[in-house]
Amino acid sequence: QQNVQQSPESLIVPEGARTSLNCTFSDSASQYFWWYRQHSGKAPKALMSIFSNGEKEEGRFTIHLNKASLHFSLHIRDSQPSDSALYLCAVSDYGNEKITFGAGTKLTIKP
Amino acid sequence: ETAVFQTPNYHVTQVGNEVSFNCKQTLGHDTMYWYKQDSKKLLKIMFSYNNKQLIVNETVPRRFSPQSSDKAHLNLRIKSVEPEDSAVYLCASSSDIYEQYFGPGTRLTVL
Repeated sequence: QQNVQQSPESLIVPEGARTSLNCTFSDSASQYFWWYRQHSGKAPKALMSIFSNGEKEEGRFTIHLNKASLHFSLHIRDSQPSDSALYLCAVSDYGNEKITFGAGTKLTIKP
Repeated sequence: ETAVFQTPNYHVTQVGNEVSFNCKQTLGHDTMYWYKQDSKKLLKIMFSYNNKQLIVNETVPRRFSPQSSDKAHLNLRIKSVEPEDSAVYLCASSSDIYEQYFGPGTRLTVL
């Protein structure tokens, strides 16, 4: 059974800093990797995804995937107070039918 | 902009009662899901359902049952609620391997 772990549990960084969030998974057959963001009291919303080894950048956000290490990460540069949220990583082996979420990293950006 | 709608927003009930939650999506997606998010924000998939197949997570107690009239609607019934059922129930939809769109959630409190 898939085991998805996130670190750290919580993080406080100053505005403008670079932030890194980590996610490890246990099933080497996993194919789809996601980061979701959930603002307080709101629904989770997909932020970024990656389906093959390497790196993908979208604006201030970069996702890294290393399947051999069973690890992927989310990097945020020039962190903004609006980035304060719960970040959830998710992994699936095919589609979304067997998607497994991590427990989340609570990120707080201090102005 | 909301495209996955859930009712009610909140529900308070007594142990042993039956409850039903409704979910509707207007995105034209083939697959819908029910998730449970506990007080520690851990998000666990309960069911995924498309036109062809209902996939049940084996850890879900039998008192939970999904009900679908068509691919745009997926309701959740809990036959006899227990205190540990207190949580936020999130409905989502997606098209195959693409991102999931979540509804705002229904917060259930069992007294």
